[in-house]
Amino acid sequence: GAVVSQHPSRVICKSGTSVKIECRSLDFQATTMFWYRQFPKQSLMLMATSNEGSKATYEQGVEKDKFLINHASLTLSTLTVTSAHPEDSSFYICSARTSGGLLTGELFFGEGSRLTVL
Amino acid sequence: AQSVSQHNHHVILSEAASLELGCNYSYGGTVNLFWYVQYPGQHLQLLLKYFSGDPLVKGIKGFEAEFIKSKFSFNLRKPSVQWSDTAEYFCAVRLGSGGYQKVTFGTGTKLQVIP
Repeated sequence: GAVVSQHPSRVICKSGTSVKIECRSLDFQATTMFWYRQFPKQSLMLMATSNEGSKATYEQGVEKDKFLINHASLTLSTLTVTSAHPEDSSFYICSARTSGGLLTGELFFGEGSRLTVL
Repeated sequence: AQSVSQHNHHVILSEAASLELGCNYSYGGTVNLFWYVQYPGQHLQLLLKYFSGDPLVKGIKGFEAEFIKSKFSFNLRKPSVQWSDTAEYFCAVRLGSGGYQKVTFGTGTKLQVIP
């Protein structure tokens, strides 16, 4: 199956700093990538849909100025958590859909990135 | 809004026991249904999916799931679990078919198989 890679897998930062997480599709072109956030013992919550070459679509309640998403190429989307605070500490997961997945809805997931804000 | 319910949060089974994990969704229209699995330290990966056709879907590693439209359910089953099935299982649903529709996930069920 298609491979999606996220980097970094773990990041610790100080409150007030910004952190960038990368999501790459390694063996396919992903016109659409999705960013999820997962809290302990909770479901994956969709934060935003990232479309190559256009602005991301954010879910209700997600601050677009805080969670900046850029999808500059068909294989890379980035999530930047700006001015991070301890409440932003979470597990962030990206996923991507192949062209075939447009029909079936199948997603391929990255490893996830554990963000800890001190 | 669509929602997905997984009733079992943590299941402990002995090897060779049968498994059934419940999944219900709330939406009356056409849906695509998925089960994803996350083994310890690994990515989420697709276990099986229902897109259309036969409501009994077979996936990898001996798993199957049955789509029962009247019950809004898509329960995951395996007749005989192995220790290597220890993982977290997520049910997911996408409204409609084709085009952009977001995928909604359940809260997950942690399965622990005891040798």
